[in-house]
Amino acid sequence: KAGVTQTPRYLIKTRGQQVTLSCSPISGHRSVSWYQQTPGQGLQFLFEYFSETQRNKGNFPGRFSGRQFSNSRSEMNVSTLELGDSALYLCASSPGTGKLYTEAFFGQGTRLTVV
Amino acid sequence: AQSVTQLGSHVSVSEGALVLLRCNYSSSVPPYLFWYVQYPNQGLQLLLKYTTGATLVKGINGFEAEFKKSETSFHLTKPSAHMSDAAEYFCAVVTGNQFYFGTGTSLTVIP
Repeated sequence: KAGVTQTPRYLIKTRGQQVTLSCSPISGHRSVSWYQQTPGQGLQFLFEYFSETQRNKGNFPGRFSGRQFSNSRSEMNVSTLELGDSALYLCASSPGTGKLYTEAFFGQGTRLTVV
Repeated sequence: AQSVTQLGSHVSVSEGALVLLRCNYSSSVPPYLFWYVQYPNQGLQLLLKYTTGATLVKGINGFEAEFKKSETSFHLTKPSAHMSDAAEYFCAVVTGNQFYFGTGTSLTVIP
């Protein structure tokens, strides 16, 4: 059974650009969540998607957005990049029903560097 | 609001010594509790979790944790540290649809 796949693993972008990150969940999982990890702020929740609908959203500016496709793959987009957006972005895959996070698995992350 | 406190951002132990990483949580409802390990530039790997039932939870790589409701704690232990245990450890609580993570504890194992 394949794990959670995040692409790309590494990205370097320039301030002001936009970026799209991808997360393919475990087969059969319908929930995908995104987290930002920085040395200063730790792991912070961005948003969660279930069956193509955003169910929950963290406290991030509107520059951060996401979507989920019918095959449960999810993308997150960050527009007008700032230096402070440099982080490891992690996605978590879970079945999404019942005890939601008792079966959550994380991907390897995408390391975004903004220069 | 949920929160997780990990006491000690850095812990050093000698190889073969007891590992104890502390985690306290606040939750208004019965929580799901997790410990994850992270190696450099890697994702989070689940060590163990508590959902319901037995309060002493055994995980991978010889780790275990005990849920103590009266102390709102979920401390992680391992009887004998190995060099390969050197990593960052995160305690997390789940309520609703999201994880709330602690700030992490970096474990150093001294040969």
